[in-house]
Amino acid sequence: DQQVKQNSPSLSVQEGRISILNCDYTNSMFDYFLWYKKYPAEGPTFLISISSIKDKNEDGRFTVFLNKSAKHLSLHIVPSQPGDSAVYFCAASGLGGGATNKLIFGTGTLLAVQP
Amino acid sequence: DTGVSQDPRHKITKRGQNVTFRCDPISEHNRLYWYRQTLGQGPEFLTYFQNEAQLEKSRLLSDRFSAERPKGSFSTLEIQRTEQGDSAMYLCASSPPGERESSTGELFFGEGSRLTVL
Repeated sequence: DQQVKQNSPSLSVQEGRISILNCDYTNSMFDYFLWYKKYPAEGPTFLISISSIKDKNEDGRFTVFLNKSAKHLSLHIVPSQPGDSAVYFCAASGLGGGATNKLIFGTGTLLAVQP
Repeated sequence: DTGVSQDPRHKITKRGQNVTFRCDPISEHNRLYWYRQTLGQGPEFLTYFQNEAQLEKSRLLSDRFSAERPKGSFSTLEIQRTEQGDSAMYLCASSPPGERESSTGELFFGEGSRLTVL
């Protein structure tokens, strides 16, 4: 079963506009949520995370919103830039017990920012 | 470069051969993870080490797969009798010790080792 879901395989936005990437999860035991960015033939790179005790975290152009009641989080990128074009993965952790930090990933959303 | 290092970056092998991948984590990180990523999917957890102890293994890690971290530093992932279904990107990640409450939950990933089984 897919515990972390990204239902939009792709998203295209114009440069300067807002990009909104969505993620849903099924297990209320998750306590950290992260977004990673991945270019082809490279490993994922960390963007931003949020603890389950918060509902918003902001870092520059990137903001993550968490709605625990809906088991939903979103990543907002404002303004979008062509260099943001990549695959974005949503990930969650907290099921391992102790402090494994094991991440469970969604299937990713390919963002294309058009100049 | 002080990031996570993986070797080789690319490996092409014939079905039935054995392959081994190496991962060198960030030096002060005591936690090490192996993931596998196939086309169109997100990274899937394979196994986790804390220091030299392998503390968790996924059901994805069949008997043909073995991972070691003998001295708590670098790790190896060996696949025996490779099958075409093993073709994937194998990702290694590490994270530092410390309480979860003081961390971002971030794992630091390497560039990955791409395996192609013919």
